[in-house]
Amino acid sequence: AQKVTQAQTEISVVEKEDVTLDCVYETRDTTYYLFWYKQPPSGELVFLIRRNSFDEQNEISGRYSWNFQKSTSSFNFTITASQVVDSAVYFCALIRSGNYQLIWGAGTKLIIKP
Amino acid sequence: KAGVTQTPRYLIKTRGQQVTLSCSPISGHRSVSWYQQTPGQGLQFLFEYFSETQRNKGNFPGRFSGRQFSNSRSEMNVSTLELGDSALYLCASSTGTAPANTGELFFGEGSRLTVL
Repeated sequence: AQKVTQAQTEISVVEKEDVTLDCVYETRDTTYYLFWYKQPPSGELVFLIRRNSFDEQNEISGRYSWNFQKSTSSFNFTITASQVVDSAVYFCALIRSGNYQLIWGAGTKLIIKP
Repeated sequence: KAGVTQTPRYLIKTRGQQVTLSCSPISGHRSVSWYQQTPGQGLQFLFEYFSETQRNKGNFPGRFSGRQFSNSRSEMNVSTLELGDSALYLCASSTGTAPANTGELFFGEGSRLTVL
């Protein structure tokens, strides 16, 4: 069975601090994809990144970076120099190759205080 | 490029009624997925349609149904509403062609259903 665990229910930091959101996944598939989505208060989920199981290279996009480690089944997300606009709920998700059903973590609510 | 449009945004129903929610995907996208989001269960997959055919279905009772039209617009219907159906219903569209676009979904703002 596939499962995604985001153990951090809520994180609160002061603006400009770095923050890491944890994601641990379970799957028996060898080919799968991992995702991070952001859900601001407006409600719509915004795609941030997709990683396939064969690509363990870390990714950096501006203040965002992702660390994928198959050895620990983790796909963590770091925001550097956080800003108030980063406040949202962040979801990690998993999908098996050839499937169209995302398996979601419970989400981490990130609060950035000014 | 217009995003995913869901209507209505908010609605209130009473137990036993039925409801129909609509989703217009991004132009050119042929896949539409529906998700239910609740505080207790989180995000749960309902079903996915591609070119008018249901391609995937989650573990929801038969009261939840959907369809997709030839223009890729989709509707979902919930019959005999229960209190537990109160949720944010999210629609997502994608090109639907695996594996290149697998999982890269574009979401609407959702339809918030309250069942009294």
